Amino acid sequence: KAGVTQTPRYLIKTRGQQVTLSCSPISGHRSVSWYQQTPGQGLQFLFEYFSETQRNKGNFPGRFSGRQFSNSRSEMNVSTLELGDSALYLCASSTGQGASYNEQFFGPGTRLTVL
Amino acid sequence: AQSVAQPEDQVNVAEGNPLTVKCTYSVSGNPYLFWYVQYPNRGLQFLLKYLTGDNLVKGSYGFEAEFNKSQTSFHLKKPSALVSDSALYFCAVRDDRGNSGYALNFGKGTSLLVTP
Repeated sequence: KAGVTQTPRYLIKTRGQQVTLSCSPISGHRSVSWYQQTPGQGLQFLFEYFSETQRNKGNFPGRFSGRQFSNSRSEMNVSTLELGDSALYLCASSTGQGASYNEQFFGPGTRLTVL
Repeated sequence: AQSVAQPEDQVNVAEGNPLTVKCTYSVSGNPYLFWYVQYPNRGLQFLLKYLTGDNLVKGSYGFEAEFNKSQTSFHLKKPSALVSDSALYFCAVRDDRGNSGYALNFGKGTSLLVTP
C-alpha cells in the first residue's frame, strides 16, 4: 500500500506570493489533516478535512486555507506569504472514523522557504 | 485544551544502554496519548499509542511506553538503545474538536542521541 505523498517536497517563494501544497492520502483514507512545523512553535495543527468538508481548524489566520477533493486528495493554500510562514508542512492521513481514526500516517512534508 | 510537555530538549545515551524519553500530560478526562519519531528530512512515524487498558504499551522498533495516571506521565522507553534510534521524538495527545474530529497536540520534541 502506498504511503502518504506530498508535492512538492521543496518550495521557495517570496513575500507576498501565494503557494499551493498537495497531499495524497493512503488509499481508502478519507481524512487529511495539515500541520505546520517550525523550530520556534513546534508542530501546530492547521485544519482537518473529511469527506471534502473542513471538519475543524486550528488558530491560523485566514491566509491559510485548504480543500479536499472527491478522491480525498487535499490541497492547502497560503496567500500573501510572510517570512514567518517558512516551515515544514506535514499532512496526515487517516480513515477519519472508528477506532482506526486514532492512527494517523504522516507524509514526508513540504519544506517551504519564504524569502 | 489537552496538552503534553517534554521536559528535556535532548537526551544522550550510550548504545546498548536503556533509554527513557519523558512526557507529561495535562488533560480533562481520559487521555489518548501517542509517540512519534522524526528522522532528518522525514515526516513523523507512528511508534505507539495509549487509549485505555494496560499501562505498558508496546510499539514499533522495540519501543514501549508506560502510562502513569498518578504522575500524569507517558514516558517512552527502550531496553537497549541503538545508534539508529537517534532522532527527534514527539509526544502527542488527542484533542477532540467539534464534528467528531480531533487534532493532535504535540510536545516540543526531544532530540535523542545514541553514541556508539
